[in-house]
Amino acid sequence: EVQLVESGGGLVQPGRSLRLSCAASGFSFDDYAMHWVRQAPGKGLEWVSSISRNSGSIVYADSVKGRFTISRDDAKNSLYLQMNSLRAEDTALYYCAKAGCSFTFCYVNKWGQGTLVTVSS
Amino acid sequence: DIVMTQSPDSLAVSLGERATLNCKSSQSVLNSSNNKNYLAWYQQKPGQPPKLLIYWASTREFGVPDRFSGSGSGTDFTLTISSLQAEDVAVYYCQQYYTTPFTFGPGTKVDIK
Repeated sequence: EVQLVESGGGLVQPGRSLRLSCAASGFSFDDYAMHWVRQAPGKGLEWVSSISRNSGSIVYADSVKGRFTISRDDAKNSLYLQMNSLRAEDTALYYCAKAGCSFTFCYVNKWGQGTLVTVSS
Repeated sequence: DIVMTQSPDSLAVSLGERATLNCKSSQSVLNSSNNKNYLAWYQQKPGQPPKLLIYWASTREFGVPDRFSGSGSGTDFTLTISSLQAEDVAVYYCQQYYTTPFTFGPGTKVDIK
């Protein structure tokens, strides 16, 4: 069974940094692209970033470009999101999500439960 | 950016009746090189992460009941629930993954009448 377990969320002051992690199991992690998708409280879904198999293709939403960095460690079956210069508008539940393909231009076929990031002074 | 719109915003349907949800993209999401529409549908129940229902506009995900079906091409898409069940109460989102940013629609909330 595919499992995606996020960690690293919490309360952080504006301008500070946070690193999210996602531990994957139940599938061949290095065969698939991965995504981060967020959902502000009571709001809809917003795509954040994606990374292809082998990290050959990495893409970001404009709202996070230059501040967030996605990465993966296939040896550890893990996905990461380094978030710098955090803003109040980054407050959201962050989902780690598995793509159905090896490339970034792909749907999400499994979602984690999410980790909550709250940016507030 | 491709803007995704969904209609209606909310929908109340009697148990066993058909529910029709619409999704429109501001640009075509059809890739002419492989003839695939880069469009997915997700279901999100309260307090839960989304769940994939349909991808490539009309391919049902493994394990999804066959009362869910997707159709459409180019810019206009439909998710149909042929016979609404109580467990189908949720918000339904469409998403295009044709070009970045991979945008979601605002969602359609489905309730029981």
